[in-house]
Amino acid sequence: EVQLLESGGGLVRPGGSLRLSCAASGFTSVNFAMTWVRQRPGKGLEWVAGTGGRGDSYGRTFYTDSVKGRFTISRDNSMNTLYLQMNNLRGEDTAVYYCAKHLASGLGPGYYFYGMDVWGQGTTVTVSS
Amino acid sequence: QSVLTQPPSASGTPGQRVTVSCSGSSSNIGSNYVYWYQLVAGTAPKLLIYKNNQRPSGVPDRFSGSTSGTSASLAISGLQSEDEADYYCATWDDRLNGVVFGGGTKLTVL
Repeated sequence: EVQLLESGGGLVRPGGSLRLSCAASGFTSVNFAMTWVRQRPGKGLEWVAGTGGRGDSYGRTFYTDSVKGRFTISRDNSMNTLYLQMNNLRGEDTAVYYCAKHLASGLGPGYYFYGMDVWGQGTTVTVSS
Repeated sequence: QSVLTQPPSASGTPGQRVTVSCSGSSSNIGSNYVYWYQLVAGTAPKLLIYKNNQRPSGVPDRFSGSTSGTSASLAISGLQSEDEADYYCATWDDRLNGVVFGGGTKLTVL
């Protein structure tokens, strides 16, 4: 069964750092683009960051403007795991963070958009003093 | 303010047909596939429609998607109580170089 399991959420003070992990099982995650999406309390879904899978878009990363320079998406293919390193956290980063698998490996300019088909259950990040 | 515009709420009675709209622009819906997701509180988002109008296996054929120009729609026919959830459209935006979501539509089954 294809599954994603997030971990690493918690309570952190403003300006602090946190690293989220997303362990994939039932498929080889490097073969697909992967993404992080968040949902702030009482708000809708917001895409945070994405990275291309095996092929020409491998290694390419994309971020929403509000996290550029603060968040970094990365993979450990040997562990079949996706990460989101979050630095200089702000109160507005408080959210449930989901990782998700795309339908294909390509992501970004020059590729048809293949959206997310499998999602994890989410991990909660609370930024507060 | 979401890049894609959805009505905040929709409602219908059991058995009715309801539609949820999603309005965008030439840089997103007008040039990329649209996806629809169902979100029930406390559960992971579920893919309902991919590539504008395709249903993943296991999604009832009561759910259908369509696009026209820079807009997309999700239709749910034969409304059931378990359809009560939040629905989101999503696509890629060529100008922003990222995935964009609609603000979500809360569907209430009366």
